[in-house]
Amino acid sequence: AQSVTQPDIHITVSEGASLELRCNYSYGATPYLFWYVQSPGQGLQLLLKYFSGDTLVQGIKGFEAEFKRSQSSFNLRKPSVHWSDAAEYFCAVGVSFSGTYKYIFGTGTRLKVLA
Amino acid sequence: ETGVTQSPTHLIKTRGQQVTLRCSSQSGHNTVSWYQQALGQGPQFIFQYYREEENGRGNFPPRFSGLQFPNYSSELNVNALELDDSALYLCASTWDTGELFFGEGSRLTVL
Repeated sequence: AQSVTQPDIHITVSEGASLELRCNYSYGATPYLFWYVQSPGQGLQLLLKYFSGDTLVQGIKGFEAEFKRSQSSFNLRKPSVHWSDAAEYFCAVGVSFSGTYKYIFGTGTRLKVLA
Repeated sequence: ETGVTQSPTHLIKTRGQQVTLRCSSQSGHNTVSWYQQALGQGPQFIFQYYREEENGRGNFPPRFSGLQFPNYSSELNVNALELDDSALYLCASTWDTGELFFGEGSRLTVL
């Protein structure tokens, strides 16, 4: 079955520290991969996406993610976290469905940033 | 900005009532899908419409229904509301690519 796992429910880092959020997926074909950020009470904002090509993708707000096919992972990284990065982060896999695509989301990782 | 707008942004209903949520997609987007995001959860796929026909559904009962119109707008209807239907409902549209464009969502509270 297709699934997305975000093993860390909560992560706390100090401002200025590096960040890595983990995402593993289960899907038989090459997936489309996404990371979204959601602030409290808000909708989803796309951080970055991977469709094909270079496995290291750059996104907005200084985020990057690396697709590792052998590990079925798409981890999100940021070298220096800012207080404004505190939010919930969702990894998603786009899977082929009825001639188009649907997304399967992970359960999210809530990031807390200490001043 | 994704070009996808949803209304209303917030609404409160009581158990047993019916609700209609609306979405306006980008011009040319022939596919619209709806997701439910319960508190503390990731969004869950409800169903998808392609050229005004439902062509896929997730694990949601028939009291969740929808419509897609030729003018790139769509509706999500939920009958016989239950307390567990309280959630953020997200509309997403696309045009035969793998990327969905999400609206800001409609937050439904069922009392």
